[in-house]
Amino acid sequence: DAKTTQPNSMESNEEEPVHLPCNHSTISGTDYIHWYRQLPSQGPEYVIHGLTSNVNNRMASLAIAEDRKSSTLILHRATLRDAAVYYCILAGSYQLTFGKGTKLSVIP
Amino acid sequence: NAGVTQTPKFRVLKTGQSMTLLCAQDMNHEYMYWYRQDPGMGLRLIHYSVGEGTTAKGEVPDGYNVSRLKKQNFLLGLESAAPSQTSVYFCASSYISYSNQPQHFGDGTRLSIL
Repeated sequence: DAKTTQPNSMESNEEEPVHLPCNHSTISGTDYIHWYRQLPSQGPEYVIHGLTSNVNNRMASLAIAEDRKSSTLILHRATLRDAAVYYCILAGSYQLTFGKGTKLSVIP
Repeated sequence: NAGVTQTPKFRVLKTGQSMTLLCAQDMNHEYMYWYRQDPGMGLRLIHYSVGEGTTAKGEVPDGYNVSRLKKQNFLLGLESAAPSQTSVYFCASSYISYSNQPQHFGDGTRLSIL
């Protein structure tokens, strides 16, 4: 599976939007872009995924660059419950390859 | 609606002991997975199963065995535990294997080998 690059950590103020970037310059044409998050002492939780077009769901939005070499996870209004490690993953088969992710801190 | 349930949640073993971790899912998923997560790291795939009666090796299979006798259950065994196997173990399941299907994770088993 192709690799992704994410910042180690980010901070956001509560109730403000958060943009979490991910670079994946070696993405193949069939790789889906998945985002998961992991709250402390819990298992990873699916957030959103997409292939080429931008995607929205109740949790977040996913903006995918036209060349698909980067993507951004958007949390529209950060809450304290959104403090977690966010993983950007390229999925080309059954396997999800987790990197170290971005640790998001939310400041009250 | 339990989703993916892992038992036990915590366990301490002595080097050389054996144990089995149980994963159960109630979503009728075909695919099931076992991962391990070491401190400050992402998850690494140990073994996976594409259906009842089938298993396959993942990225880090050495020292572990698995069985999928029933569709809803996926067992991870440590025959002779070693300190290097101290980790948090996560089980996951998905409906099918295609890359556009999300995986659903349990809350983990925290295992310490002394």
